[in-house]
Amino acid sequence: QVQLVESGGGLVKPGESLRLSCAASGFTFIDYQMNWIRQAPGKGLEWVSYISSSGSAIYYADSVKGRFTISRDNAKNSLCLQMNSLRAEDTAIYYCARSRSNWYDYWGQGTLVTVSS
Amino acid sequence: DIQMTQSPSTLFASVGDRVTITCRASQSISSWLAWYQQKPGKAPKLLIYKASSLESGVPSRFSGSGSGTEFTLTISSLQPDDFATYYCQQCNSYPLTFGGGTKVEIK
Repeated sequence: QVQLVESGGGLVKPGESLRLSCAASGFTFIDYQMNWIRQAPGKGLEWVSYISSSGSAIYYADSVKGRFTISRDNAKNSLCLQMNSLRAEDTAIYYCARSRSNWYDYWGQGTLVTVSS
Repeated sequence: DIQMTQSPSTLFASVGDRVTITCRASQSISSWLAWYQQKPGKAPKLLIYKASSLESGVPSRFSGSGSGTEFTLTISSLQPDDFATYYCQQCNSYPLTFGGGTKVEIK
């Protein structure tokens, strides 16, 4: 069965960096587009970043552009999000999600990122 | 960016009720809309895609309709497992955006 397992979350200070990972299994990873979506505590969902199946197309939300970098390793069935210059407003649960035609059919359980001094 | 507006933000209903949630897009998105259900502490779950297509494994009491800028999610007979928060999402163009959510609570 499809599984997406995020890791790498934690507590960091403003301005610091964090690298999130998502391990995928149960499907042919190279065939699917992947995404990061976040949810601030008690708030709604916000799309963060997209990467195409080959990695040739990448998009970011304006709120993270220039600070976050998405990448994938199709040989290792893994997705990453490098987050630099973190801000308090980046505090959220970060979900890794598989997409089909821009809707998200499988989600991971999420990893919590807390940015606080 | 396309703004998605859901109403109501909270809905009180009883088991067996027919429930309708509305989602409006700030510009036409054709049928490029998805609906998700989220329970506390869990990841969202895809219910409906392309406005009216039921995701595999989702009970048939869930249905979606609409096109252009106005969409609805209907639960024909609310079950205890359906008390949750529901989100719409436009799949038409980047940045992909979500509605603010509708929390369905017990009356």
